This record gives sequence, structure tokens and C-alpha cells, in this order.
Amino acid sequence: AQSVTQLDSQVPVFEEAPVELRCNYSSSVSVYLFWYVQYPNQGLQLLLKYLSGSTLVKGINGFEAEFNKSQTSFHLRKPSVHISDTAEYFCAVSPLNQAGTALIFGKGTTLSVSS
Amino acid sequence: EAGVTQSPTHLIKTRGQQATLRCSPISGHTSVYWYQQALGLGLQFLLWYDEGEERNRGNFPPRFSGRQFPNYSSELNVNALELEDSALYLCASTPTVSSYEQYFGPGTRLTVT
Repeated sequence: AQSVTQLDSQVPVFEEAPVELRCNYSSSVSVYLFWYVQYPNQGLQLLLKYLSGSTLVKGINGFEAEFNKSQTSFHLRKPSVHISDTAEYFCAVSPLNQAGTALIFGKGTTLSVSS
Repeated sequence: EAGVTQSPTHLIKTRGQQATLRCSPISGHTSVYWYQQALGLGLQFLLWYDEGEERNRGNFPPRFSGRQFPNYSSELNVNALELEDSALYLCASTPTVSSYEQYFGPGTRLTVT
């Protein structure tokens, strides 16, 4: 079985500051990793994914994440945030080679960017 | 390319009633997933349909059911509604059964009073 822990439920930052949203996972098998963003009153939008290859993954809107297998982490970073980045962010995993398995999500991190 | 669409946007029902939620996947996508996003519980997997068949379900009672139509659209039915069924219900689709990347719709907000 898999589980995902997002270490911070809320992260307040000022505009143009860097931010890191932390995600750790637990799994007995290898997994694919995802970050999704949910803006108020909207569905989920895929930010980035790690399937294989380079452990540093770049996504949309200037976000990137680094997969660390030894620490079972997949932290999301952005060097300079904007007010428009205010949203809820979800880390999710899916076990390798088990297509059709539902995504397992963390509880989410609310990023609040203020001026 | 049109994304995943869901209807209605909002649905208000009384305890004990039935609710029907609808989802249209991205054109060409054959798999549809349903998730429940309840306050404080995060996103939980409900059901997975592919090629018209229910392939997997999450840890939800049988009063949560659904189907997938020949055009791959899907319907989620919730019978005997309870107050704790109030949540945002999200639908996601993938191009094939072997795809891992899920594309989500905007959701249906179900309120049970």
C-alpha cells in the first residue's frame, strides 16, 4: 500500500519569495509521482510529474520538483512566487506497472501569497 | 481540445434522496475515475471505469455506484444520501487503461441538507 504525507498544511509567503512545499511518500513498490494544483472553486491541474529519468522535474508556471528516492521525497519548489500562485497543492503517487490504479493523494498544502 | 466536463456544477439534495452526477472525458479518453474531496478528508478514490466496465472501487459503501456509457461518458449515483456525502466530486480521465496521467474536471459540489 502507498501513502503520501504533505508536511505542511499551510504555507504563507510574501510575493517574490522562494517557496518549498514538502511531500514524503511511503510505498513497498516503486511509484510515479505527481504534483497537482487546485485554484479556488476549480478542479485539479497537473503541475508536473516524475515517471523516470532526471530526478529534477520542471513543470508549468515556473515550478520544479526533485525526486529523492533514498529519502522518499518529492518536494515542490518555486524561486519566486506570485499572488496568482495562491492555491491548494496536492502531491500524489501511483504505483509503477499497475495501470488503472487510482492516484493516492496527500491531504494538500494551502499556499497563501501576500504582497 | 475540450477538457473534462462535469455537470451539474452544484447540486443540493436532502438526506435520503438520490444524486446523479455526470462526467464527459476528454475526447478519445476511455478511462474515467471518480474521486470524493470532502472537507478534512482530502481526495479519496471512489470508482474507476474503462471500456464500459467497472474496474475498481475504493472503500465506499455500495450506495455509491455508477456506469460508463458507450461514448465513454460516465455517471455517478449516490443513493440514500447522508449529510457526510457533502463534498466536491471530481472526475478524471486518461487516454488509455495503461496511462498514469489523469486529467481532472472542475467537479460537482454536492450539498446534502
